[in-house]
Amino acid sequence: GAVVSQHPSWVICKSGTSVKIECRSLDFQATTMFWYRQFPKQSLMLMATSNEGSKATYEQGVEKDKFLINHASLTLSTLTVTSAHPEDSSFYICSARPTWTSGGWNEQFFGPGTRLTVL
Amino acid sequence: AQKVTQAQTEISVVEKEDVTLDCVYETRDTTYYLFWYKQPPSGELVFLIRRNSFDEQNEISGRYSWNFQKSTSSFNFTITASQVVDSAVYFCALSATNAGNNRKLIWGLGTSLAVNP
Repeated sequence: GAVVSQHPSWVICKSGTSVKIECRSLDFQATTMFWYRQFPKQSLMLMATSNEGSKATYEQGVEKDKFLINHASLTLSTLTVTSAHPEDSSFYICSARPTWTSGGWNEQFFGPGTRLTVL
Repeated sequence: AQKVTQAQTEISVVEKEDVTLDCVYETRDTTYYLFWYKQPPSGELVFLIRRNSFDEQNEISGRYSWNFQKSTSSFNFTITASQVVDSAVYFCALSATNAGNNRKLIWGLGTSLAVNP
């Protein structure tokens, strides 16, 4: 149980195009989803927190208009990288937080990641 | 400020050696959680352990063990008799509360462990 999928697992696109990445909680409902990006040999950087049915909360320095997040249902959140450029090439990871708690902590279950390469 | 420091960027050991990965954290929260994740070359994060701030008992799971010491704000991870399959990047993380009480994770920079045959 508690599986999170991401689609696509990898994508290569041309500079200037937009890319949509999906994050789905397959066997649970997630009121909150988190989006991270990770550059090679670096740590995870939280980009934004999205709650179902409301606007995402972006971390400082993350461009809202560049990285559009939609959390339209309790099992799906999407990240759209608009007008992608080579510097947007990165590993994007989502996590989903279910409604239940475990030992007082709302678990986060991570997706397998999406590797974006912008040419 | 909340922060996680993993001072060891890279560690290289020979198979069967024991290895300890250090993690030091900073927080003003009285209730918090600490985590370790493994990230193999595939990129998918593997959850290893969660520990809450009120539970200082050390934990052992097979070849893995964790030493949580609030007095030194450390949560170190030891792999006993390391194996090649243990080669990965290991992240230590700390829970934090952001806007709207959505607890987020503060990540260390990770320690890249190479276990050589």
